[in-house]
Amino acid sequence: SQKIEQNSEALNIQEGKTATLTCNYTNYSPAYLQWYRQDPGRGPVFLLLIRENEKEKRKERLKVTFDTTLKQSLFHITASQPADSATYLCALDKGYSSASKIIFGSGTRLSIRP
Amino acid sequence: DAGITQSPRHKVTETGTPVTLRCHQTENHRYMYWYRQDPGHGLRLIHYSYGVKDTDKGEVSDGYSVSRSKTEDFLLTLESATSSQTSVYFCAISDTNTGELFFGEGSRLTVL
Repeated sequence: SQKIEQNSEALNIQEGKTATLTCNYTNYSPAYLQWYRQDPGRGPVFLLLIRENEKEKRKERLKVTFDTTLKQSLFHITASQPADSATYLCALDKGYSSASKIIFGSGTRLSIRP
Repeated sequence: DAGITQSPRHKVTETGTPVTLRCHQTENHRYMYWYRQDPGHGLRLIHYSYGVKDTDKGEVSDGYSVSRSKTEDFLLTLESATSSQTSVYFCAISDTNTGELFFGEGSRLTVL
């Protein structure tokens, strides 16, 4: 069966360091991989999408890598700040016009301490 | 702001009662989705719609029904709520050009 795993349920790091979150998957061939941020009591918010033929994508302090051989994506936040504290979800997408085949990981709760 | 509103935002009900959650969008998107989110399970798709009166089942559709009589409204109904349906429910729309999902703020349902 299809499976998507995010490396840890919670991650605590010092402000200013780089946070690295991992998303691994099995039995799935995604065309895209997406990352979302979710704050407590709120809905997820889209951050980045990376295609299967892209190795790396950046947006401000965010960087995502996608290795289809390892079946893994890494999500980095550089120069982390307490405001980056949130739960981060990865999602696999087959790239159909409908999002009905997207599957989500259960998330990693990131805490940045001052 | 993607223009998605969910109602009610919080609801407590008793086992066996019917419950309807409403999702309203102002973006005129074709696709709308209902997810539930539970600890350790991530977001799981319940039902989705690809147009007015066009709906299909998702991964966890048992015990739920949906209706879409207008482009802007997508209703999720629990005909007879059970305690296992206690969850946070999210409505979403998708941008078919980018694949991006836009979520509502969620509806927290507690079934006693």
